[in-house]
Amino acid sequence: SSELTQDPAVSVALGQTVRITCQGDSLRSYYASWYQQKPGQAPVLVIYGKNNRPSGIPDRFSGSSSGNTASLTITGAQAEDEADYYCNSRDSSGNHLRVFGGGTKLTVL
Amino acid sequence: QVQLVQSGAEVKKPGASVKVSCKVSGYTLTELSMHWVRQAPGKGLEWMGGFDPEDGETIYAQKFQGRVTMTEDTSTDTAYMELSSLRSEDTAVYYCATDLAVAGTDAFDIWGQGTMVTVSS
Repeated sequence: SSELTQDPAVSVALGQTVRITCQGDSLRSYYASWYQQKPGQAPVLVIYGKNNRPSGIPDRFSGSSSGNTASLTITGAQAEDEADYYCNSRDSSGNHLRVFGGGTKLTVL
Repeated sequence: QVQLVQSGAEVKKPGASVKVSCKVSGYTLTELSMHWVRQAPGKGLEWMGGFDPEDGETIYAQKFQGRVTMTEDTSTDTAYMELSSLRSEDTAVYYCATDLAVAGTDAFDIWGQGTMVTVSS
């Protein structure tokens, strides 16, 4: 079982806004990073830190955090955003170990 | 351009060991914190371990303690992940990942292409 909990699946209409969440006790102390993974491909970092996007990631991707919940928001979802999304952070042990959430399958309708 | 280039697919029998390599090109391994992540078929990402710059040592997920060893050859800028006592549940794609431009944020912005390890009798 994962210490970071994500909804297994979320859907959004094309052009609409969708929020993908990640819950865990460690998120009260550490930021989550978010990864997009398409079938047969390696994950791609889309959000890290408080709300930072690596070079090349569209600005429709944003991140936020409140309490024990981190969120990835896609404003104006595009067909190419259909993918699996994973959050990652430290676990709650205090030993600098990392953990991934179970992943959320995003469908763009 | 920084790239992580991993070794090719492996097929192993239960009980055997596998050693996957990850060569850094375009940068120096000593300036990176290398981690390993795996993904079983149809399943999610699973962090296995990696270098913790805060403590200056390699740390491992509890699940793999005693069965995994991560090493580095700085002369060739190559990182290795060896997993022993393989079982069918270890069948997965194994990725190396690092924090090139996001150091200190716990994120991984550079990933290898993945290495498929199949454990089958």
